[in-house]
Amino acid sequence: QVQLQESGPGLVKPSQTLSLTCTVSGGSVSSGSYYWSWIRQPAGKGLEWIGRIYTSGSTNYNPSLKSRVTISVDTSKNQFSLKLSSVTAADTAVYYCARSEWEPIYWYFDLWGRGTLVTVSS
Amino acid sequence: DIQMTQSPSSLSASVGDRVTITCRASQDIRYYLAWYQQKPGKVPKLLIYAASTLQSGVPSRFSGSASGTDFTLTISSLQPEDVATYYCQNYNSAPFTFGGGTKVEIK
Repeated sequence: QVQLQESGPGLVKPSQTLSLTCTVSGGSVSSGSYYWSWIRQPAGKGLEWIGRIYTSGSTNYNPSLKSRVTISVDTSKNQFSLKLSSVTAADTAVYYCARSEWEPIYWYFDLWGRGTLVTVSS
Repeated sequence: DIQMTQSPSSLSASVGDRVTITCRASQDIRYYLAWYQQKPGKVPKLLIYAASTLQSGVPSRFSGSASGTDFTLTISSLQPEDVATYYCQNYNSAPFTFGGGTKVEIK
């Protein structure tokens, strides 16, 4: 079955750029049936949707992070990626990649990666 | 952005009790509401979508309902394995927003 796996540095210095990749296995990131999202969760806190990308490259971002976020897709590697610039300690969180279907009625997240902890610290 | 207000933030109940969690949207989201269960140290798991549709494989003791902008998750008979934090999520329009969570414990 389809699985998602996040990867990237677990430690990022303040003011630098956080970069994560989500690898899709058992399926294709270029399938026209899905959106691919990033969601984060600070320790002991709730969930925050960061943004998403469609196969075509079309993106939607959370306005609270929009100025610092870029989500891209690499169909040759079956991956999609997150870049978050100018990070601070407030960006320390577990970062999840997740999938939702392309029709609005199905925009919930039915598949999640295991998550990766990113700590922002000097 | 649409705000999702969940209550209570935590609850403690006995095994076999009926448990109800409420989520209120700050504006109309139709029935585009999902519920997730997150056990300690685990990934969120989809329980219910479209306010009341049970995801495949989810026990039937879980149910969801809607009335206007108020949504309810009910566990008809609480089991020890239901200890978790539950989140509602608006997916009517981006940015998709989550409730603050309800932590469910066994008394």
